[in-house]
Amino acid sequence: DIQMTQSPSSLSASVGDRVTITCRASQSISSNLNWYLQSPGKAPKLLIYAASILQSGVPSRFSGSGSGTDFTLTISSLQPEDFGTYYCQQRGTFGQGTKLEIK
Amino acid sequence: EVQLVESGGGLVQPGGSLRLSCAASGFTFSSYWMSWVRQAPGKGLEWVADIKQDGSEKYYVDSVRGRFTISRDNAKNSLYMQINSLRAEDTAVYYCAREVHLAGMGPAFDYWGQGTLVTVSS
Repeated sequence: DIQMTQSPSSLSASVGDRVTITCRASQSISSNLNWYLQSPGKAPKLLIYAASILQSGVPSRFSGSGSGTDFTLTISSLQPEDFGTYYCQQRGTFGQGTKLEIK
Repeated sequence: EVQLVESGGGLVQPGGSLRLSCAASGFTFSSYWMSWVRQAPGKGLEWVADIKQDGSEKYYVDSVRGRFTISRDNAKNSLYMQINSLRAEDTAVYYCAREVHLAGMGPAFDYWGQGTLVTVSS
């Protein structure tokens, strides 16, 4: 089974900051990588699919890149509604999550 | 507007059974693969099972295979999960989610329900 590892597990940042989250696959997955944000008490929301395609309605401050084994999610300027836990996903496997908190 | 509404969760004793339901609306249900994804309290997301549009293919995570059964009724726009032989480690919020597939790509989950809580405890 392919394992997905996110880093960091948690981070603190301020509104307006640029933030990058990384997801690494244990073997090549081409561009089969999706990103989600789960706000507290809510269901996850799809942000990015196929590594770099922005889901409809998602703000352009979110971007994704990578292929093979290494992927990144970048938020160019953090907004208050961006805080929560981010997950990467490849087929039936999710990363362990990255909790983004307000500094 | 796409909506997915889960129901059927509750408190059940170890070894017991439950049937979860997910009512879909706002899209052509019969055109999509559908999944169940769960989240134990304070933990991350775990994909559980999915089912093809016509129900002819079903896949499960190893930890539930043989105990959980996913099904669907396209005439009722509904997804189901029969969960048997429940264990404490099955305690979680269970979400139904719609799958989208780009050509040659694995699934992404583009719409999620609000979840239903299953608690396994004596």
